[in-house]
Order: sequence, then structure tokens, then C-alpha cells
Amino acid sequence: GQNIDQPTEMTATEGAIVQINCTYQTSGFNGLFWYQQHAGEAPTFLSYNVLDGLEEKGRFSSFLSRSKGYSYLLLKELQMKDSASYLCAVMDSNYQLIWGAGTKLIIKP
Amino acid sequence: GAGVSQSPSNKVTEKGKDVELRCDPISGHTALYWYRQSLGQGLEFLIYFQGNSAPDKSGLPSDRFSAERTGGSVSTLTIQRTQQEDSAVYLCASSFVRAGGGYEQYFGPGTRLTVT
Repeated sequence: GQNIDQPTEMTATEGAIVQINCTYQTSGFNGLFWYQQHAGEAPTFLSYNVLDGLEEKGRFSSFLSRSKGYSYLLLKELQMKDSASYLCAVMDSNYQLIWGAGTKLIIKP
Repeated sequence: GAGVSQSPSNKVTEKGKDVELRCDPISGHTALYWYRQSLGQGLEFLIYFQGNSAPDKSGLPSDRFSAERTGGSVSTLTIQRTQQEDSAVYLCASSFVRAGGGYEQYFGPGTRLTVT
């Protein structure tokens, strides 16, 4: 079967760095996405990785290792507005997105 | 419009009634997705339309659920004889084909359905 695993909840301190991990097992691989979802709102796109390595975009970076079926989202200089759920999704061989359940990130002052 | 729009934003209905949810995708996007999200849960895939191909209905939970997409644009998700377990936020997303194969999905604000 296909599955995406990520921690249910994480807590971090304002100004710090946090890494959210995602492991996956899917039928084929056509890229991995990270989305941010604030409570009561729709998900918004953060990043896309299809090749191994690190993609940096401002305070957010995303890493992919296809051989390990592993990705992480790194958030630096955390701000209170970063409190949200972070969803990992993998595009399989049929170009369907398989979604993880999301990691709820709580930022404390 | 600039983004994906959905209507209504909220819908309260009585058990057993039929409901229709509407999605207007971003102009030019060939792919359209419907998802369901219960409180505190992840996204549950329902159905996927891509261009003129037959839709992928593999995620529809029962035959009470159906969807159509007219003219390759607007889509309607219909739930017949609603049940309380149908209560959730229904999200629509659309995408285009990215060079290299990535399909970045843009989400609408969702329709919050409550079945009483």
C-alpha cells in the first residue's frame, strides 16, 4: 500500500529552528510537495522536490532523499505566524497526490 | 478570478437531503481535484478530473457521491441522501502541468458541510 508518515505534533520556540520529517512509500515517485495549512484555511503550496538535495526558499528549506524515501521541511527564525499544520504529499506514478495527515506545529514565545 | 473559488462557503443540511457543492478552478488549469477534510484530519482524496479523460473516481466513499465537470472548467460535487458522517470541509484544487512533471495544486477556501 501507499503511505506517508509524519509526526502528529511538534512544539518549538519563537526564533528557533524546527525540522519536520516525512517518510513515504508510494507506487512510483513524481515529486514531493510541502503545504502549509492554518487552522480553518485551505492548504497553500510551500515547496516541491523531485531531485535529491536541498531546496531553499527564504526561511523555509526542503530536503529530499529518494533512495531513503525521506524528506524534511526546515523552518528557520520561527515566527508566531508559522503556527500551522504542515502537510507532506507525494505524487505517485499516476500523478496522484498521496497526502500525509499533517504535522501540527505549535510555536511558543 | 485570481484563484480557485468554491460555493457555498458553509452549508447546513438535514440528514437525507441532497447537496451540491460548486468549484470554479483557475482559468487554464486542466486538472481539478476534490478532497474532504474532517476536523483535525488530513486530506481525503475523492475524485480527479484531467482534461477530457475519464475522471478518477477511486476516492469516492459511496455511490451517494458523484461529481461532474462541465466544459473542462466548473465542477459540481453532489452528495445524495446526506448522512451525519458526511459532515466535513470539502476542498477543491486545480493545477496545471509544470515542466518536469510537477503538478502544484492551488486550493479553494472550501465548503464546510454540516449534516444535522
